[in-house]
Amino acid sequence: EAGVTQFPSHSVIEKGQTVTLRCDPISGHDNLYWYRRVMGKEIKFLLHFVKESKQDESGMPNNRFLAERTGGTYSTLKVQPAELEDSGVYFCASSQEYPGHLHFGNGTRLTVT
Amino acid sequence: AQKITQTQPGMFVQEKEAVTLDCTYDTSDQSYGLFWYKQPSSGEMIFLIYQGSYDEQNATEGRYSLNFQKARKSANLVISASQLGDSAMYFCAMTSLSNSGYALNFGKGTSLLVTP
Repeated sequence: EAGVTQFPSHSVIEKGQTVTLRCDPISGHDNLYWYRRVMGKEIKFLLHFVKESKQDESGMPNNRFLAERTGGTYSTLKVQPAELEDSGVYFCASSQEYPGHLHFGNGTRLTVT
Repeated sequence: AQKITQTQPGMFVQEKEAVTLDCTYDTSDQSYGLFWYKQPSSGEMIFLIYQGSYDEQNATEGRYSLNFQKARKSANLVISASQLGDSAMYFCAMTSLSNSGYALNFGKGTSLLVTP
């Protein structure tokens, strides 16, 4: 089966610009998660979708971040406007059942200059 | 709140030797799950092993075993017979099984280098 795919793999934008990250989970996986790793710090949870519904968005840092999962398939994470501290690697993960089998994508490395 | 601590930023081990990566945790939850993930230089996060807080036996998956000591709140990963391909970042993570969110909390990671 195809794994979790994320696009783009790298993005370099200027402060104040908008960036949209995309995640395609494994087909049939109802659970979709976004995580972020800022340089030198822990990987932090951002939010969790079950199908198209936001189950938990307690990790979203502020209202500059907007996540959507239309139709319960792929998800997008938009950062608008981007700030320097948003730089990091954004991981998407999906699972059908829980626990133990969270499948991660390769991540999107975002650099805000 | 949950906290995961990995005190070893970097570790070296010789090929074919065993290595233990430390992980301690803090949580007020009675029911929780502990995970280890591997991140090679290519960037993907690979699930290695899972231990539930009520599992009486330590989890094992091939060359990986999790040394779970509940009273000490530790969940160390043991890799036996290290291989060069084991060189990677290793992350310990946990989640509460008491709610429906299942968000993972990660440690900072340990960088493992396996030498010939």
